[in-house]
Amino acid sequence: GAVVSQHPSRVICKSGTSVKIECRSLDFQATTMFWYRQFPKQSLMLMATSNEGSKATYEQGVEKDKFLINHASLTLSTLTVTSAHPEDSSFYICSAREGDRNTEAFFGQGTRLTVV
Amino acid sequence: GQNIDQPTEMTATEGAIVQINCTYQTSGFNGLFWYQQHAGEAPTFLSYNVLDGLEEKGRFSSFLSRSKGYSYLLLKELQMKDSASYLCAVMDSNYQLIWGAGTKLIIKP
Repeated sequence: GAVVSQHPSRVICKSGTSVKIECRSLDFQATTMFWYRQFPKQSLMLMATSNEGSKATYEQGVEKDKFLINHASLTLSTLTVTSAHPEDSSFYICSAREGDRNTEAFFGQGTRLTVV
Repeated sequence: GQNIDQPTEMTATEGAIVQINCTYQTSGFNGLFWYQQHAGEAPTFLSYNVLDGLEEKGRFSSFLSRSKGYSYLLLKELQMKDSASYLCAVMDSNYQLIWGAGTKLIIKP
């Protein structure tokens, strides 16, 4: 299957700082990328959907100014958590889809963010 | 509203068979996915059903009945490494994935 690389896998940062998470599709062009957040023992919560070259579509309740998403190319999307707080500590996962909308989405490895 | 229901937790014995059910109510239907997720890791794709019937892939099979809004994931010859959460997700009319909360499967020797 296709490979999606997410980096970093773990990050610890201080409150008030910003953290950038990268999501790359290594062997296909990702027309659409998704960013999820997962709390312990819960399922994935979609944060936003991004299409290459256009602004991300954020889900209700997700602050677009806090979670900045950039999908500058067909192989790279970034999520920046700005002015991080301890409650932002979570597992963030990206997924990427190529082409047809009802095709499988491939997931990155996830990023464990801890804000201290 | 849209919702996906699956059991929170199931326990099975190594070598046995287990069936994980998923029922759904969504705005439109463009396919149902099953993913496996080990603790602390991202989900990995298991199966995709868009037509009624059974799809078999090795030890794993997935069934779909669109008229009943129902699917199941069947795992045969269970191995300890199958201990994980299994997520059911339905793609709605907007091609957005609606996720179930996941079923935690515990395998005992």
